Amino acid sequence: ETGVTQSPTHLIKTRGQQVTLRCSSQSGHNTVSWYQQALGQGPQFIFQYYREEENGRGNFPPRFSGLQFPNYSSELNVNALELDDSALYLCASSSSGGANEQYFGPGTRLTVT
Amino acid sequence: QKEVEQNSGPLSVPEGAIASLNCTYSDRGSQSFFWYRQYSGKSPELIMSIYSNGDKEDGRFTAQLNKASQYVSLLIRDSQPSDSATYLCAGAGGYQKVTFGTGTKLQVIP
Repeated sequence: ETGVTQSPTHLIKTRGQQVTLRCSSQSGHNTVSWYQQALGQGPQFIFQYYREEENGRGNFPPRFSGLQFPNYSSELNVNALELDDSALYLCASSSSGGANEQYFGPGTRLTVT
Repeated sequence: QKEVEQNSGPLSVPEGAIASLNCTYSDRGSQSFFWYRQYSGKSPELIMSIYSNGDKEDGRFTAQLNKASQYVSLLIRDSQPSDSATYLCAGAGGYQKVTFGTGTKLQVIP
């Protein structure tokens, strides 16, 4: 069974740039959720994708957007990067949408300078 | 008021002791609760889920849920130095959003 994978592992961007983060869900899972984790904080829910559609969104501005593909992999796009966007971005996969048990990938560490 | 609250710790326990981690939540609509372990620099790892009032045991771990008191706990028996990590409590209601606490740092002293 293949676990959740994310790429890249680390990324450094400049304020105002755009970034795309990628996630492959665990085998058998059709739902992907994205989280932002700042240092010393718990993960904050960004949004969830289920069957290629956004299925719930947290308190993040529209410059955070995403996609889910037919193979259930997903992308998180962030436009107009701000310094406060520096964080660990986590992807979690689960089955059948909703708030089922979620399994996290290793994360992408984004640094905005 | 935060939706899921945890004491940030650190909670220090000697090796072999029982570690007790606590969490309260404010959303009475929350139905599912999860405990994750996160080692420094790593991503969270799911260790327990609990959906009904009462206790749920899995090896050295016991999760406890009391919906009337809006309280969730995690007991770790026979604590080992390898259990030293941050433990995240999370709750979810009828929607897709899973809300995490800020985590409790556990230190197991050899």
